[in-house]
Amino acid sequence: ETGVTQSPTHLIKTRGQQVTLRCSSQSGHNTVSWYQQALGQGPQFIFQYYREEENGRGNFPPRFSGLQFPNYSSELNVNALELDDSALYLCASSLAGGAGETQYFGPGTRLLVL
Amino acid sequence: QQQVKQSPQSLIVQKGGISIINCAYENTAFDYFPWYQQFPGKGPALLIAIRPDVSEKKEGRFTISFNKSAKQFSLHIMDSQPGDSATYFCAASMYGNEKLTFGTGTRLTIIP
Repeated sequence: ETGVTQSPTHLIKTRGQQVTLRCSSQSGHNTVSWYQQALGQGPQFIFQYYREEENGRGNFPPRFSGLQFPNYSSELNVNALELDDSALYLCASSLAGGAGETQYFGPGTRLLVL
Repeated sequence: QQQVKQSPQSLIVQKGGISIINCAYENTAFDYFPWYQQFPGKGPALLIAIRPDVSEKKEGRFTISFNKSAKQFSLHIMDSQPGDSATYFCAASMYGNEKLTFGTGTRLTIIP
């Protein structure tokens, strides 16, 4: 059984650019959630995908968007990057309807916006 | 109403002592309360979780105490070890909606 993996591990972008972060969910999991963790803060929920559909969204602007693929992997896209987007982006996978509450987190992608 | 408040922000405990971290929530619809442990450069890892139908859950050296009427829950780490030094987050969610609402974290340092 493989855990949650994310790529890339680190990324540096400049303000106004666009970025795509990737996540492979744990084997057997059909739900992926994305979180933003600013330095020294707890993770903040961005959105969740279940069976390729967005299934809940936190308080983030539309320039944060996502996709889930048939194999349940996922992408987080951020357009028009701002300095405040600098953070650790975490992906978590879970199995909805089973022990669904348990979310397993990946190691994250550290994004720095200059 | 979605907030989870966590205290203290940082905690220093001597090796072998008891570490206690507290959380309070407002939304009575929350019914799942996990604790996550995070080491630098890593994602959060589930440590232990509780549902409100029990007042206490113990797994090894880790215990969650839950007070439904006060809307508070706490993590106790018995016989704290240097390897326990990490940041701990409490969280809450509603069954069927797996969005986790996290506390602000507690940086725990265990000193020899």
